[in-house]
Amino acid sequence: EVQLLESGGGLVQPGGSLRLSCAASGFTFSRHALSWVRQAPGQGLEWVSAITDSGTGTYYADSVKGRFTISRDNSKNTLFLQMNSLRAEDTAVYFCARDSPILTIWGQGTLVTVSS
Amino acid sequence: EIVMTQSPPTLSVSPGERVTLSCRASQSVSSNLAWYQQKPGQAPRLLIYGASTRATGIPARFSGSGSGTEFTLTISSLQSEDFAAYYCQQYNNWPPGTFGQGTKVEIK
Repeated sequence: EVQLLESGGGLVQPGGSLRLSCAASGFTFSRHALSWVRQAPGQGLEWVSAITDSGTGTYYADSVKGRFTISRDNSKNTLFLQMNSLRAEDTAVYFCARDSPILTIWGQGTLVTVSS
Repeated sequence: EIVMTQSPPTLSVSPGERVTLSCRASQSVSSNLAWYQQKPGQAPRLLIYGASTRATGIPARFSGSGSGTEFTLTISSLQSEDFAAYYCQQYNNWPPGTFGQGTKVEIK
């Protein structure tokens, strides 16, 4: 069974940092691009970032460019999102998803709350 | 950036009814459009890609149509498990893959 499991969310103060992880199983991880999508409380979906299968190509929404960094470890079947200089408006559930730009399989998400 | 507009924001429907959801793009996205379903507290699920191709395991009662700027998701006979929010996403001008604001299908 294909599975994606996010972790690393939590409460962080404005200006702080957080690193999200997404552990994958059930498919050949290194053959798929991966994405992060977020959803603010009670709101719609917002694409955040994507990375190619090899990790050599990375892409970001303007709202997070320069603050967030996407990466992956194909030896450990894990996707990461390093989030720096966090703002209140970054508060959301963060989903990892397999493939890009069509998001074929989604994880259950991890909640990030930015508040003092 | 392409803006995706979905209508209506909320749709009240009885089980068994036919449902039509609309998605409009601010400029042409060809057929590079996907639909996702999201139930409360759950992750989204891919329903349709390429405007009209059902994803693996998606029942035949779900169908997508359209191209250019106007798209439709149709549920031929609404089942109880179909009450959810539905989002369209364009990926013609990517990044970013912009989403519509969603349509919530609720029980009438």
